[in-house]
Amino acid sequence: KNEVEQSPQNLTAQEGEFITINCSYSVGISALHWLQQHPGGGIVSLFMLSSGKKKHGRLIATINIQEKHSSLHITASHPRDSAVYICAAPSNFGNEKLTFGTGTRLTIIP
Amino acid sequence: GAVVSQHPSRVICKSGTSVKIECRSLDFQATTMFWYRQFPKKSLMLMATSNEGSKATYEQGVEKDKFLINHASLTLSTLTVTSAHPEDSSFYICSARLPLWGEQYFGPGTRLTVT
Repeated sequence: KNEVEQSPQNLTAQEGEFITINCSYSVGISALHWLQQHPGGGIVSLFMLSSGKKKHGRLIATINIQEKHSSLHITASHPRDSAVYICAAPSNFGNEKLTFGTGTRLTIIP
Repeated sequence: GAVVSQHPSRVICKSGTSVKIECRSLDFQATTMFWYRQFPKKSLMLMATSNEGSKATYEQGVEKDKFLINHASLTLSTLTVTSAHPEDSSFYICSARLPLWGEQYFGPGTRLTVT
């Protein structure tokens, strides 16, 4: 089973700072997911990526398949970015079941 | 992106009653939907995989007679918590996967409180 680890667990930053959240996994995968969960609980799928880099607005996700590592970056962070960010990877290569990281709680202070 | 809805968003019920939660993919057909449970400050835990037109596949430790899953159409899966007890109080989330190993889209979740 894939072991998915995230760091840091908690992150507090000032508005405008560049944010990096890391995710590592133990088993080779087809694609990795980044999710955002707001305090109300709802989950939004941010990215699914299998190689290289993806960008959506101020969010950038990168993945290094060889190193089994992915990062989520937020540029020009804003208080509304405050949420829990979760990475998720298939339990095994080619398996559609996801194993979730424990999440990174991000707080952006105005 | 694709939209997945859940209904209700919150429900409070008495012990011993049953509660049905609906998960709908609004703008795509999902042959596979997933049901997750999340305890406070914990990760999502997969409960079962729901395939349209066939029986759901439950994860180890999940009672299939207690958590009934029906995936009657390509856009709707339901989770029924039968004879609910306070320990069933939790946040239940579904996701729907685009065909051909596509991305999973998550519903907004249902917060169940059993009194």
